[in-house]
Amino acid sequence: GDSVTQMEGPVTLSEEAFLTINCTYTATGYPSLFWYVQYPGEGLQLLLKATKADDKGSNKGFEATYRKETTSFHLEKGSVQVSDSAVYFCARGSQGNLIFGKGTKLSVKP
Amino acid sequence: DVKVTQSSRYLVKRTGEKVFLECVQDMDHENMFWYRQDPGLGLRLIYFSYDVKMKEKGDIPEGYSVSREKKERFSLILESASTNQTSMYLCASTSGQGKMSNQPQHFGDGTRLSIL
Repeated sequence: GDSVTQMEGPVTLSEEAFLTINCTYTATGYPSLFWYVQYPGEGLQLLLKATKADDKGSNKGFEATYRKETTSFHLEKGSVQVSDSAVYFCARGSQGNLIFGKGTKLSVKP
Repeated sequence: DVKVTQSSRYLVKRTGEKVFLECVQDMDHENMFWYRQDPGLGLRLIYFSYDVKMKEKGDIPEGYSVSREKKERFSLILESASTNQTSMYLCASTSGQGKMSNQPQHFGDGTRLSIL
């Protein structure tokens, strides 16, 4: 069935470091792709999305590009801040539902 | 902004109790979902609903049921709570046309349920 695989954490970075969180998805159909963020004690918030190949989603300095040829949707940020510390989930659309990766915990140290 | 409200942030219940978790959304969304979130397992779909009085099983429906009597409200029911149902429960909603929907989901803040 459909699935999403993202890099396991935790990931610990210093402030202003470059961030990449890898995500790959199964290639069934032409799904929309999403990144969600979960701050401590809260639910998931949509961070960005892309609906077709070569689309780039962006928000709050984060970016991800829908790569059909590599079935990937890697999350990147050029300079992370302490406030970016959270758990990040990659997800793909699947018949009206979402399939989530297991999440990657990011900790940013000052 | 879409608001998805879950009735409780924290809940403690006893083994064998019948437990109700309530979720309300204010954007007239057709689709609503219940997930549980556990460390190392990510989010797992319990049940979802594409319309009033409609429901479909997700990946882990055993031990749960749901009710959707009104469009804005989707309830998760633990028929006889057990300790392995201790978890974070997340409700979500989205617009769209049932299984054709490709829209992002909007989440509530979650209910952390402990079964003693």
